[in-house]
Amino acid sequence: AQKVTQTQTSISVVEKTTVTMDCVYETRDSSYFLFWYKQTASGEIVFLIRQDSYKKENATVGHYSLNFQKPKSSIGLIITATQIEDSAVYFCAMRLYDTNAYKVIFGKGTHLHVLP
Amino acid sequence: DMKVTQMPRYLIKRMGENVLLECGQDMSHETMYWYRQDPGLGLQLIYISYDVDSNSEGDIPKGYRVSRKKREHFSLILDSAKTNQTSVYFCASSSVNTEVFFGKGTRLTVV
Repeated sequence: AQKVTQTQTSISVVEKTTVTMDCVYETRDSSYFLFWYKQTASGEIVFLIRQDSYKKENATVGHYSLNFQKPKSSIGLIITATQIEDSAVYFCAMRLYDTNAYKVIFGKGTHLHVLP
Repeated sequence: DMKVTQMPRYLIKRMGENVLLECGQDMSHETMYWYRQDPGLGLQLIYISYDVDSNSEGDIPKGYRVSRKKREHFSLILDSAKTNQTSVYFCASSSVNTEVFFGKGTRLTVV
């Protein structure tokens, strides 16, 4: 089965520290895209960062970076210097081909609480 | 301005009524999606559309149908709504090499 799994349902950290959120995926595809999204308290879902499977370098955008370990089918999201405003639910997603067409599937999310 | 717009944002319907959720995008994306989100279940794919009149079932299509007559517009229809269809519905769009862009969601309550 092709799927995305986030095992951490909730994480709490103190602000200004670094946090890593885990995500593992299963796919038959040799080429795929991986994404991380943030859902704010208002419910809005915002794209953060992406990793293309053929790229060896880990993607970085602002204070978000990825730890892509292809042999382990793992794509961790790292947030450095966390801020209170980073408190949200974070979703890992994968774009894959299924029955001759592509679709995007999501993990169940990790709720991050950044404490003062 | 790259945007996915959903209407309405909030909706209350009685069980058995028909429901129409509308979605538009201004990016000429060929692919559009409908997801529903329930607590603890993440985002579940209801339907995906690859272009006009080219729609495929997602993981939970039962009780729903869709319509896409223009590339920029994708509708989700609930014929005879049920209480277990109370949820938050998200429309989204993407192109071949882009991320998925989401609308702000529609909170549907079926009473």
